[in-house]
Amino acid sequence: DTEVTQTPKHLVMGMTNKKSLKCEQHMGHRAMYWYKQKAKKPPELMFVYSYEKLSINESVPSRFSPECPNSSLLNLHLHALQPEDSALYLCASSQDPSGSNEQFFGPGTRLTVL
Amino acid sequence: GDSVTQMEGPVTLSEEAFLTINCTYTATGYPSLFWYVQYPGEGLQLLLKATKADDKGSNKGFEATYRKETTSFHLEKGSVQVSDSAVYFCALSDLGGTALIFGKGTTLSVSS
Repeated sequence: DTEVTQTPKHLVMGMTNKKSLKCEQHMGHRAMYWYKQKAKKPPELMFVYSYEKLSINESVPSRFSPECPNSSLLNLHLHALQPEDSALYLCASSQDPSGSNEQFFGPGTRLTVL
Repeated sequence: GDSVTQMEGPVTLSEEAFLTINCTYTATGYPSLFWYVQYPGEGLQLLLKATKADDKGSNKGFEATYRKETTSFHLEKGSVQVSDSAVYFCALSDLGGTALIFGKGTTLSVSS
């Protein structure tokens, strides 16, 4: 299994809602990532989990809260988002955090905040 | 800091034309280099990679060679197809780094 899956595919939420994005991989990878991608731009790193511990938080607002329940799962909890948070949210994984390993990306969740 | 510069396009070609997308990088160490492709409405797919100087990555008719002397990793394909229409991202990752550094992306549009 060489796949990263993400659910849901699309999500529409109001500014007062609480929702969660889910990501799963069964490749035995020990590093997992959340990226945010705006239209016609490259992905921007948000968080890195290394061996199930948060290792990098790229100064992301606290309305985004990551969670890594086990080595295969990664969640992104959303609360009180703003319309400018509308974007494609991509999850990725790699064998380990060292830079020589490629990252495998999921299909993304397209988030719209009303 | 480390950075990647790639031609932004859009690049518009006819089917069976030759493709080159230029990518140069700046890095203090010896990075690994990647090309990712993003089809409309999808996530990123790894197209090819190279981890050391003079390595050639290849996949699906695409090739790129890691040129340390010119700090480049240009993407080439001899004969493009309509199905190659997508956004192509050049990226690097330092050995000690945990994140990819992307170029701005190049949109390729191939017409029949």
